[in-house]
Amino acid sequence: GENVEQHPSTLSVQEGDSAVIKCTYSDSASNYFPWYKQELGKRPQLIIDIRSNVGEKKDQRIAVTLNKTAKHFSLHITETQPEDSAVYFCAAPLAYKYIFGTGTRLKVLA
Amino acid sequence: KAGVTQTPRYLIKTRGQQVTLSCSPISGHRSVSWYQQTPGQGLQFLFEYFSETQRNKGNFPGRFSGRQFSNSRSEMNVSTLELGDSALYLCASSPGLAGRYTDTQYFGPGTRLTVL
Repeated sequence: GENVEQHPSTLSVQEGDSAVIKCTYSDSASNYFPWYKQELGKRPQLIIDIRSNVGEKKDQRIAVTLNKTAKHFSLHITETQPEDSAVYFCAAPLAYKYIFGTGTRLKVLA
Repeated sequence: KAGVTQTPRYLIKTRGQQVTLSCSPISGHRSVSWYQQTPGQGLQFLFEYFSETQRNKGNFPGRFSGRQFSNSRSEMNVSTLELGDSALYLCASSPGLAGRYTDTQYFGPGTRLTVL
């Protein structure tokens, strides 16, 4: 069935360390994988996305990697800062709907 | 371009009432999706509309319905409200290109519904 598993559900890191969040999807036909950041009381904001024809994409301190064979993709945040503290969601669109992961609450400790 | 807007931002209703929420997409976007967000269930897909047609719907009871107008604005309605309907309702718009769903979605600020 349609499913996106996201791990971990919570993640605490020291400021300056790296954070990695992983998602696994079920439908091999999925070909677009966005990541959203949601700060408390705000709307989800797209921070990075990747399409299935590439294996990695970087944007400053944020990167996403995709392994289509294993059907998983990961968000990497380097040199974390307190403002990175938020809930992060992955998604895998299928047939005109997005299936979201359950979210990862990232806490960056100063 | 102006972002996705939703009205109202906050609503308080009592059980048994009905409610209508509105979403105005980014100019030029023809697809609108609706989500229910709760602390325990995350982001749950309700339905998606494109050119006034519902293309997909999630696993919600028939009390949840929606529609889209010719200007791409969308409304969702919840009838016979239950306590468990208390949630943040988010809409998201995208260009709505044809084919498998690979458009980037942009979210509105949400409507916080409280059912007493």
